[in-house]
Amino acid sequence: DVKVTQSSRYLVKRMGEKVFLECVQDMDHENMFWYRQDPGLGLRLIYFSYDVKMKEKGDIPKGYSVSREKKERFSLILESASTNQTSMYLCASSGEANYGYTFGSGTRLTVV
Amino acid sequence: GQSLEQPSEVTAVEGAIVQINCTYQTSGFYGLSWYQQHDGGAPTFLSYNALDGLEETGRFSSFLSRSDSYGYLLLQELQMKDSASYFCALNAGNNRKLIWGLGTSLAVNP
Repeated sequence: DVKVTQSSRYLVKRMGEKVFLECVQDMDHENMFWYRQDPGLGLRLIYFSYDVKMKEKGDIPKGYSVSREKKERFSLILESASTNQTSMYLCASSGEANYGYTFGSGTRLTVV
Repeated sequence: GQSLEQPSEVTAVEGAIVQINCTYQTSGFYGLSWYQQHDGGAPTFLSYNALDGLEETGRFSSFLSRSDSYGYLLLQELQMKDSASYFCALNAGNNRKLIWGLGTSLAVNP
């Protein structure tokens, strides 16, 4: 069963901490994405990557960075966590040959 | 810019048919996708329309009309487990980036 795996389901961090969210996919997909989802705001794209070491800003990149050193792994980094980054973070991947995204189960991050 | 509109909430009863509409504004796109998301879960891919017309997958069908800038998801023989949020999304370029609607919360009542 193909999947996208996010390292943590729930995470609590303190303001100012550097936070790493990890995402691994086993489908050999070229494209990987990080979203955050907040009530009433839908899914908002933070960053995406269409190849190893390549990254592009999404709609809300401020306060975040990403790393893609290997094709299967896409990491989201919160440089200095703030309370307004409390959210559900969703990783997804897609291949060039199909049309659907496969999402991970999400990481609910709380910054206190 | 590109944007999609869909109703925020829809209510229906078990066994019924419900249609969730999605209207969009865009200068160009490859296709329209639909995703389902249960509370606390991740979105899952339901269907994709690259061409005008109806795509059927079991109890779910999706429709696209490019001339009307409109699509819909049709759910038949509704079951309680269909209670979820449904998102339409425009495939803006080679499956690399989707433009998302805000989602429609479907409540299926007994």
